[in-house]
Amino acid sequence: QKEVEQNSGPLSVPEGAIASLNCTYSDRGSQSFFWYRQYSGKSPELIMFIYSNGDKEDGRFTAQLNKASQYVSLLIRDSQPSDSATYLCAAPQDTGKLIFGQGTTLQVKP
Amino acid sequence: KAGVTQTPRYLIKTRGQQVTLSCSPISGHRSVSWYQQTPGQGLQFLFEYFSETQRNKGNFPGRFSGRQFSNSRSEMNVSTLELGDSALYLCASSLTGSSTEAFFGQGTRLTVV
Repeated sequence: QKEVEQNSGPLSVPEGAIASLNCTYSDRGSQSFFWYRQYSGKSPELIMFIYSNGDKEDGRFTAQLNKASQYVSLLIRDSQPSDSATYLCAAPQDTGKLIFGQGTTLQVKP
Repeated sequence: KAGVTQTPRYLIKTRGQQVTLSCSPISGHRSVSWYQQTPGQGLQFLFEYFSETQRNKGNFPGRFSGRQFSNSRSEMNVSTLELGDSALYLCASSLTGSSTEAFFGQGTRLTVV
């Protein structure tokens, strides 16, 4: 059974700090990963995707992929209270199917 | 560019009834996937449709079914509703469904009483 694992948290950081969210996966064949942000009561919103080893930056967000360690992370710089949400890591398993982690709840305190 | 549209947003049904949910994908997207989200189980894959064909199916009972129309709109049906079917049902739209980005609709909140 292919799995995606995340620490459920909550992860609490002060405003302005760097939040680091982590995800591990069991399938060595996984080639791409997605990070979704989900506010309470809302649907998941795609914020980052990464296909290659290394870092990918988009504004305050940086995704990091290490295929050898089967590890993907999301860094949020200059965290804001509006970043408080659940962050879901996902990997494609089969056609049209994403496997999601349980999500990490991030709390950014003013 | 319009996003993914799901209707209705909220539903309350009684045990034993059936329900149909609708999803209109982003224009040009041909893949529609359906997920069930509950607090205990997280996001669970139901099935995926591409060009009116179901290509993939998750581990849900046969009471859960779906279809896709020629305009890529998709419907999901749940028959003989059970209390445990109460959940947020989400559809995701993508170009091809193969490792391409998937965008979610706002979801349908189903409550079974």
